Parts: sequence; C-alpha cells; structure tokens
Amino acid sequence: DGGITQSPKYLFRKEGQNVTLSCEQNLNHDAMYWYRQDPGQGLRLIYYSQIVNDFQKGDIAEGYSVSREKKESFPLTVTSAQKNPTAFYLCASSPVDRVYGYTFGSGTRLTVV
Amino acid sequence: DAKTTQPPSMDCAEGRAANLPCNHSTISGNEYVYWYRQIHSQGPQYIIHGLKNNETNEMASLIITEDRKSSTLILPHATLRDTAVYYCIERTSYDKVIFGPGTSLSVIP
Repeated sequence: DGGITQSPKYLFRKEGQNVTLSCEQNLNHDAMYWYRQDPGQGLRLIYYSQIVNDFQKGDIAEGYSVSREKKESFPLTVTSAQKNPTAFYLCASSPVDRVYGYTFGSGTRLTVV
Repeated sequence: DAKTTQPPSMDCAEGRAANLPCNHSTISGNEYVYWYRQIHSQGPQYIIHGLKNNETNEMASLIITEDRKSSTLILPHATLRDTAVYYCIERTSYDKVIFGPGTSLSVIP
C-alpha cells in the first residue's frame, strides 16, 4: 500500500544533541513538508520541498535543517540550536497540483530530557 | 498567518448533524478548499475538498457559498468518533499551505 512513514514514533533526546526524524513516502509525490505541533496548537510549517535537491524555509525554520536527496525521502534534523524542541512533528506529502490534497504521516513525538 | 478563519470550538449532540463553518474571504479563483481532521496525537486525515460546487463523499458534505468566501463542512450524523480538530485550508498549486488552529469539535453523548 502507498503511504507516508515517519519513524520513530517516539524519540527522546538529551539537551545539546542533534536528532534526525525520518520521513519516507512511496506515493510518487513531488512535494514534501514538515510541520510542528505543540499541545493545543495548530500546525506550523518548518520546511517544505517541491522538488528534489530544493527546499524552502517555512515559518519556524530556525534550529532545523532538512535535505531532499531523493524524491521519496525528506529527513528533518532538529539541531541543538532549537531552543524548545519538545513537540509533535508531522511530515506530509502531496502532488504540487492544487487539485490534490496532502497525505500525512502518523507523526513523531520528540521529547528533550 | 492562516488564510482561513474558523471558530475555536463547537459541540454537537451524538446523532445530530455537525455543521462546521469556515471563512476564506480572500480565496482566489484557482484555490481549492480542503478539510482535514486530526484525532489526538495522530496525523491529520483528509475529509473532502471542493472548488465551486458542493461536494459529498462517504464521510461528509461540503457546501461552498456562491461567492466562495465561506464554506461549511457537514457531518450528517455525528458519532463520538468524530470528536477531533477540524482544519479548513486553501490550496493552490506550487505553494505551501498554512494551517490555522482549526475547530475543536466535541460530540456529546
């Protein structure tokens, strides 16, 4: 079945460490997105990519980095520069055409300990 | 900022229709309206989308006003499993999508 997979589901990190969240899709979608969600809040856009080897900053990119070396993969690195990294992270993908919607992964819950 | 506005919360009695409004007064002619819902600690799930005409699928109906400045998502017979946060967004090609805080729907037994 086609879908989008995020791993791991839960992740614990010590302060000062970088950590990478995985996002893989087999839907042949060109665009991929990373969102952050804090308790009781909506989704805030971190980074997005519409084509391989290209990506753009969203509204809260500071302290995060991404790469898009393959169409299927869009990993997100939470660096030590991110001051408040504990959150729920969601990855999504879509065709770029507006007639199609987003498909979301099941999310990764990151906790800094 | 999100381009749509929704009430922060709504209640609905179980078995009744839930009508969730969304204002998108700045929508352009080539933008679709999409609705998603998110159950706690899960990824958002697609519900329905439309451009001009009303749409219906097995989950819900979408009513879009003639001027396209607002829409209503209708869950015809709400169940407890419909308790979730519902997001209304605009989608245009080759652009990022901004999600607002959505509407938290509580279905009451």
